[in-house]
Parts: sequence; C-alpha cells; structure tokens
Amino acid sequence: AQSVAQPEDQVNVAEGNPLTVKCTYSVSGNPYLFWYVQYPNRGLQFLLKYITGDNLVKGSYGFEAEFNKSQTSFHLKKPSALVSDSALYFCAVRGGSYIPTFGRGTSLIVHP
Amino acid sequence: KAGVTQTPRYLIKTRGQQVTLSCSPISGHRSVSWYQQTPGQGLQFLFEYFSETQRNKGNFPGRFSGRQFSNSRSEMNVSTLELGDSALYLCASRRDEANEKLFFGSGTQLSVL
Repeated sequence: AQSVAQPEDQVNVAEGNPLTVKCTYSVSGNPYLFWYVQYPNRGLQFLLKYITGDNLVKGSYGFEAEFNKSQTSFHLKKPSALVSDSALYFCAVRGGSYIPTFGRGTSLIVHP
Repeated sequence: KAGVTQTPRYLIKTRGQQVTLSCSPISGHRSVSWYQQTPGQGLQFLFEYFSETQRNKGNFPGRFSGRQFSNSRSEMNVSTLELGDSALYLCASRRDEANEKLFFGSGTQLSVL
C-alpha cells in the first residue's frame, strides 16, 4: 500500500519569506513523487515530479522540492513567497501501481 | 490546445436520485481518471479508464460507475445519491498509463440535499 501525509492543514508565511510545505510518504519500492497546486474553483495543476536523479527537483513558478530517501520526505519549497502563491497544495506518490495516492492537501496563505 | 473539460460545473440533486457527470480529455489523451475531493479526505481515487476499458478502481461502492467512449470522453454515474456524495468530482487525463503527469479539469461540484 502507498500513502502520503501532509502534516500541516495550513501554512502561513509573509510575502518575500521562504516557504516550505511538508510531505512524507510510504511506498513499496522506488517512489514516484509529485506536487500539484489547486487555485480556487480550479482543478489541480502539475508543479513538479521526482522519479530518479538529483534529489532537488525544480518545477513551475519557482517552486522546488527536495527528495530525502532516509526521511521518506518530499518537501515543497520556494525561496521567496508571493501573495499569488496562496492556494491548496497536494503531494502525491505512486509505487508499483500506476495510480498516484494524494495527500489531504495543505492550504498555503501568503500574507502581504 | 483545449484542456480537460468537465460538465456540468455545478449540480444540485436530492437523495435517491442519480447523476451523470461528463469529462472530455485533452486531445490525444487516452487515459481518463476520476477523483472525489472533499475537505476532510482530500482526493480519493474512483477509477481510471484507458481505451474504453476500466484499468483501475478505487475503494468506492458499486453505486459509482463509469465508462469511456471511443473518442476517449468519459462519463461517471452515481446512483441512489446519498448526502455524503456531496463533493467536487475531478476528472484527469493523461496520454497513457505510463505518463506521469495528470491534467485536471475544473471539476463538477455536486451537492446532494
């Protein structure tokens, strides 16, 4: 079985500060890891993925994520947050199954 | 290139009724999957279709069913609606099963009264 935990329902950060949205996972075999973002009244949009290679993955809109195998984590980061980054963020993992399992989502609020 | 299109955008039904939701994937995408999104549970996988065949199924009762047509468009049906079926239903397409990136529609917001 595969699972994802996003331990924070909400993350608050001031504009211009760095942000981190946490994700830990459990999966058999090598993990395929993803981050998606959902803006109000919209579907999810793909941000980035990790399959193999460098542990630091760069994605859309200046986001990046760091894969840590020993801690089974895949935290999403951005050096300088924007108010427009405020949205719901989902981490997802898949192992042997082709179907990804999503976390419950973390609401990111960036204050001006 | 048009994105994933879901219709209708909003639906209001009463308990016991049935409902059909529609999804048109991105042109060239042969895989369509459906998810239920609720505030407490996040995204729950319903099923995935590829070339008109259901390839994977989540842990939902038989009241939830779907199908895919030869043009890759997909429909999802929920019979005997319950209050707990109120949710945002998202459709996602990808080129094929091995492709990792999912493209989501804006969803159908279903309210069951």
